[in-house]
Amino acid sequence: EAGVAQSPRYKIIEKRQSVAFWCNPISGHATLYWYQQILGQGPKLLIQFQNNGVVDDSQLPKDRFSAERLKGVDSTLKIQPAKLEDSAVYLCASSFYALEETQYFGPGTRLLVL
Amino acid sequence: DQQVKQNSPSLSVQEGRISILNCDYTNSMFDYFLWYKKYPAEGPTFLISISSIKDKNEDGRFTVFLNKSAKHLSLHIVPSQPGDSAVYFCAASVGGGSQGNLIFGKGTKLSVKP
Repeated sequence: EAGVAQSPRYKIIEKRQSVAFWCNPISGHATLYWYQQILGQGPKLLIQFQNNGVVDDSQLPKDRFSAERLKGVDSTLKIQPAKLEDSAVYLCASSFYALEETQYFGPGTRLLVL
Repeated sequence: DQQVKQNSPSLSVQEGRISILNCDYTNSMFDYFLWYKKYPAEGPTFLISISSIKDKNEDGRFTVFLNKSAKHLSLHIVPSQPGDSAVYFCAASVGGGSQGNLIFGKGTKLSVKP
């Protein structure tokens, strides 16, 4: 079974530029998550989708971050404009809905904002 | 305010000995706890979980203990192997991983020396 796919793996941009990350979850997984992991910290949830609907985006900085999952499968996370403090690893995870507790993580996208 | 705390940033043990990783939490609403393992440049992978209705869960060399009164859980690895060297994250949720946010600790880096 293929795992969660993410691209790109690494990205370097200058502050105020825009960047987008892509995630393809495990086939059949209805729930998709985006996490931000700053160096030395644990992952922090940014947004949770159930199929193509948003379940929780309470910790998403909506003035600069946006995410979509239009067809209920793959998802994109965008930052516009980026700030220095956005430098982090962005992790995508997925899980099968209904009593499935385990979230399966992708390898992450490492973003460096200069 | 950190709801999940891993107070030891690192731990070093000898191969074959027991590794004990600790985690404390503050939110009494948490009812599901998980341990994830992370290798460099990879996403976290699920290791073991425990529901708040239990006080122990075992899977091979890995055992998680939960002390609800102390709001404390620990992960025991016996015997430790060099391949166990990784960062271990404790996570907690209300209502299970798919229905609730996972709140992660900062992680503990385990080094198992041959």
